[in-house]
Amino acid sequence: NAGVTQTPKFRVLKTGQSMTLLCAQDMNHEYMYWYRQDPGMGLRLIHYSVGEGTTAKGEVPDGYNVSRLKKQNFLLGLESAAPSQTSVYFCASRGGQTSNQPQHFGDGTRLSIL
Amino acid sequence: QKEVEQDPGPLSVPEGAIVSLNCTYSNSAFQYFMWYRQYSRKGPELLMYTYSSGNKEDGRFTAQVDKSSKYISLFIRDSQPSDSATYLCAMSAMDSSYKLIFGSGTRLLVRP
Repeated sequence: NAGVTQTPKFRVLKTGQSMTLLCAQDMNHEYMYWYRQDPGMGLRLIHYSVGEGTTAKGEVPDGYNVSRLKKQNFLLGLESAAPSQTSVYFCASRGGQTSNQPQHFGDGTRLSIL
Repeated sequence: QKEVEQDPGPLSVPEGAIVSLNCTYSNSAFQYFMWYRQYSRKGPELLMYTYSSGNKEDGRFTAQVDKSSKYISLFIRDSQPSDSATYLCAMSAMDSSYKLIFGSGTRLLVRP
């Protein structure tokens, strides 16, 4: 029962470097979301996808790009990392068309930008 | 002003106490209200889900929604040390993307 798997779990980058965070779900869910969690700020939505091949901006999209080429994967990219992007990143997925379906979360990627 | 406000705590209670956690919100379009529990270094997991106003009970947990006051609550009865975690409220409007807006979370510590 893998659910939502995030890779890597930890990463340290230098300012200006690029990287891609991978989210994979095995529940055949249509909807996928990327959040960041910072102290005192709760979870804030970066980008989301309502199906394979679709992406849309969330609350804090600047400095990030996403792709959903396969239904089970949702990639979050940082083209030029900045210290302000130091955070814990969570991916979530959701199935169904009814309102009472929960979002299922991975265990996060802890990213530090020096 | 944030759309969803939540006291960050920490809230420390003795084992067996009744815990009350609360959130207020400003967007009257919110229809769906959730409570998530997050253990340290883990992702959030859904605890309770409520649609519109009213109460919902599940074991030791009761969720209340008062849309007229824009106020939601989570009560935990007979609290246990294993309940020690951060509790996040989340809500959404009638939106085909099912986006959630989260509170900042309340850290709860239940002392044995």
